[in-house]
Amino acid sequence: DIVMTQSPDSLTVSLGERATINCKSGQSVLYSSNNKNYLAWYQQKPGQPPKLLFYWASTRESGVPDRFSASGSGTDFTLTISSLQAEDVAVYYCQQYYGPHPTFGQGTTVELK
Amino acid sequence: EVQVVESGGDLVQPGGSLKLSCATSGFTFSDSPIHWFRQASGKGLEWVSRVGSKADSYAATYAASVRGRFTISRDTSKSTAYLQMNSLKTEDTAVYYCASYSLHSTPPWRWGRGTLVTVSS
Repeated sequence: DIVMTQSPDSLTVSLGERATINCKSGQSVLYSSNNKNYLAWYQQKPGQPPKLLFYWASTRESGVPDRFSASGSGTDFTLTISSLQAEDVAVYYCQQYYGPHPTFGQGTTVELK
Repeated sequence: EVQVVESGGDLVQPGGSLKLSCATSGFTFSDSPIHWFRQASGKGLEWVSRVGSKADSYAATYAASVRGRFTISRDTSKSTAYLQMNSLKTEDTAVYYCASYSLHSTPPWRWGRGTLVTVSS
């Protein structure tokens, strides 16, 4: 299994401030034949299913506000919320889908200060 | 519009069985592998099983925690996938999510809203 490790486990940020979440994979998730990173980011609020934010590491899903951005390649990835809003309070997960089966990071809880 | 809708979750006793369904529409079902994930209350996301597409002869794979107890299948004529769960344990209690994956779709992942399985006496 490809192990995904997120940091930090939790993050407390003031309204309007930046939040940064890191995700590291145990092996590269970059597929050389198509130059795509098989990495997705999800947002999950209590009682709701995971919501896809980004796929192929940095492609924003339709409807996701542009204060959200994602970057990285190979084994190291980052999700950034440039100006935290109240509705961004949630748990965020990274997911790799390069290996024989998908695996997720442990999740990062983003809270308001 | 793409839709992925799970159903079949229920309260079941330890050792019992349950069959979940994942009804889909809006995309070419036979071209898309289907995955089941689960999430216990307050915990993270866990992959459970995958059934492949026509391209890999609908091959099935399982997490070690459910292998030998769960069986995944799909009915192309109904655009529906299934998860037969036998010999259920209390630790199988979770919300079960179905998701379709396609390398060539945008987005590649589409998730349902989940169905709750509770295993308790």
